[in-house]
Amino acid sequence: GENVEQHPSTLSVQEGDSAVIKCTYSDSASNYFPWYKQELGKRPQLIIDIRSNVGEKKDQRIAVTLNKTAKHFSLHITETQPEDSAVYFCSSSGSARQLTFGSGTQLTVLP
Amino acid sequence: GAVVSQHPSRVICKSGTSVKIECRSLDFQATTMFWYRQFPKQSLMLMATSNEGSKATYEQGVEKDKFLINHASLTLSTLTVTSAHPEDSSFYICSASRRGPRQETQYFGPGTRLLVL
Repeated sequence: GENVEQHPSTLSVQEGDSAVIKCTYSDSASNYFPWYKQELGKRPQLIIDIRSNVGEKKDQRIAVTLNKTAKHFSLHITETQPEDSAVYFCSSSGSARQLTFGSGTQLTVLP
Repeated sequence: GAVVSQHPSRVICKSGTSVKIECRSLDFQATTMFWYRQFPKQSLMLMATSNEGSKATYEQGVEKDKFLINHASLTLSTLTVTSAHPEDSSFYICSASRRGPRQETQYFGPGTRLLVL
């Protein structure tokens, strides 16, 4: 089955700096890569996703890049704000539409 | 659009009792619903996938007789934890996907926190 690895497990940045979270996946058939933000005790919220037919997608301060050859995808958050502090999960899915999640990154934005 | 609700939000029960959790898609028809379990400070682990009108598909290591899933309609799926034990205490989250151009997107419910004493 699919295996998704995520790094780092914790990340602290100063407000205004950028944060980068990286993931790798194992199944070359995976074609959909969503990123979720989860605050403590809350549901995961979709923040951005990318499909395998594109290499990059941007939505305001958030961007995701995908390298299908290397099976890498990354989340980039620019101009971080304290409210960006949360746990971020990468995930992937293929034709079965089942999501496999990474282990999560606890992002802390220091004011 | 694409709102998913879950009920109850939290439940405390005694060991040996059964607990039912409901997952509803409020403004769309969910072709597929997924059930996840999340232990503290850990990731979401898929338990099972259910399609309306058919039996759920369980992930390896998840006991189908302990975690009963019913997907009776396109807007409702239920998870029943039978004979719950303290080790079943966890955060249970459902998600739903729908027909259409973004059918791979999963919309998550708010989760149910289960504590078994």
